[in-house]
Amino acid sequence: GESVGLHLPTLSVQEGDNSIINCAYSNSASDYFIWYKQESGKGPQFIIDIRSNMDKRQGQRVTVLLNKTVKHLSLQIAATQPGDSAVYFCANQAGTALIFGKGTTLSVSS
Amino acid sequence: EAQVTQNPRYLITVTGKKLTVTCSQNMNHEYMSWYRQDPGLGLRQIYYSMNVEVTDKGDVPEGYKVSRKEKRNFPLILESPSPNQTSLYFCASSVGTDNEQFFGPGTRLTVL
Repeated sequence: GESVGLHLPTLSVQEGDNSIINCAYSNSASDYFIWYKQESGKGPQFIIDIRSNMDKRQGQRVTVLLNKTVKHLSLQIAATQPGDSAVYFCANQAGTALIFGKGTTLSVSS
Repeated sequence: EAQVTQNPRYLITVTGKKLTVTCSQNMNHEYMSWYRQDPGLGLRQIYYSMNVEVTDKGDVPEGYKVSRKEKRNFPLILESPSPNQTSLYFCASSVGTDNEQFFGPGTRLTVL
């Protein structure tokens, strides 16, 4: 069946480093991909999205890369800050459903 | 302020006692959805609604009901809660299925 997975459940970085969080998906028909950030005690918060007709999209300090050939999605965070510490979820929209990965916990130490 | 609200935020109940978790959005979104979040399993979709009076099952619909009588409200109903429904529940809304979903603050439910 469909699945969206993340390669690593945890990632620890130093403040100022660049962070890369990876995600693999299985549904080749997926056409919309999203990254969410979830801080402790809060609901997921939208970070950035990308559609299947693109392979890269940039936001403020964040970049999403989509490789449809290997069905891989990544989130790059530049100059990671302590406030970036959270759980990050990738998700893909296939039809009417939004399928979430299990999340990567990013810990930023100063 | 554009937002999704849920009530209650915390609820402890007993097996078999019917409960409703309300969800409301003020963004005139057509698409609304309910998720449950469990450790190690991420977010899983329970039910979703494409518009008023249009609802459909997600990945884990057993034991839940929903209704969409008005565009802004999408309550989640547990007719006979069981301990395996102890979880953190999120409501979300969006313009459409391929648009950013806005999430509510969550409802932590414990069924004893």
